[in-house]
Amino acid sequence: RKEVEQDPGPFNVPEGATVAFNCTYSNSASQSFFWYRQDCRKEPKLLMSVYSSGNEDGRFTAQLNRASQYISLLIRDSKLSDSATYLCVVGQAGTALIFGKGTTLSVSS
Amino acid sequence: DAGVIQSPRHEVTEMGQEVTLRCKPISGHDYLFWYRQTMMRGLELLIYFNNNVPIDDSGMPEDRFSAKMPNASFSTLKIQPSEPRDSAVYFCASSWGQAQPQHFGDGTRLSIL
Repeated sequence: RKEVEQDPGPFNVPEGATVAFNCTYSNSASQSFFWYRQDCRKEPKLLMSVYSSGNEDGRFTAQLNRASQYISLLIRDSKLSDSATYLCVVGQAGTALIFGKGTTLSVSS
Repeated sequence: DAGVIQSPRHEVTEMGQEVTLRCKPISGHDYLFWYRQTMMRGLELLIYFNNNVPIDDSGMPEDRFSAKMPNASFSTLKIQPSEPRDSAVYFCASSWGQAQPQHFGDGTRLSIL
């Protein structure tokens, strides 16, 4: 079983749509959780951290379910500029962050 | 504040040549990471350092790859001899903690002909 798994997509949605990505992780002792965004031919950039109680940043909402070991990212009112690959990232004690392979989102007009 | 700085941005060289990639982490970050990204394999962690000391190099593909961090503000990743299958984007990242968010440089796009 892979340590961090994501549906690679692509997710193709129209502008204004709401889209959600899920990510599962295998180590129940994982301690930190993040979503990164990577645009085509660019470096990964931190989108948001994920906290146990869930957190929101504008149109983006992240949630953590420790019991089921999954993380979600919800994007409301999708914009063309949201088109990118979204990487789920998990931190564990004693190791470097583990990056998922990413979910590709394409928002069309 | 300056982010992670990598050089060169692009490198095209012939098979068998030595390639040296450079990275300057964010000041104050104790951890430095080297990654390789390809379409087929995604983002792969090659090696990482803590306070200039290599902690885990299990991702280094083979002996042709080596990495050093002589001081807190500079690291190199060297490939010798280079092969076409080494063609990829190489990222350097730094962070202030092992499980803390990493900040990436712009990457080096390496093409081995």
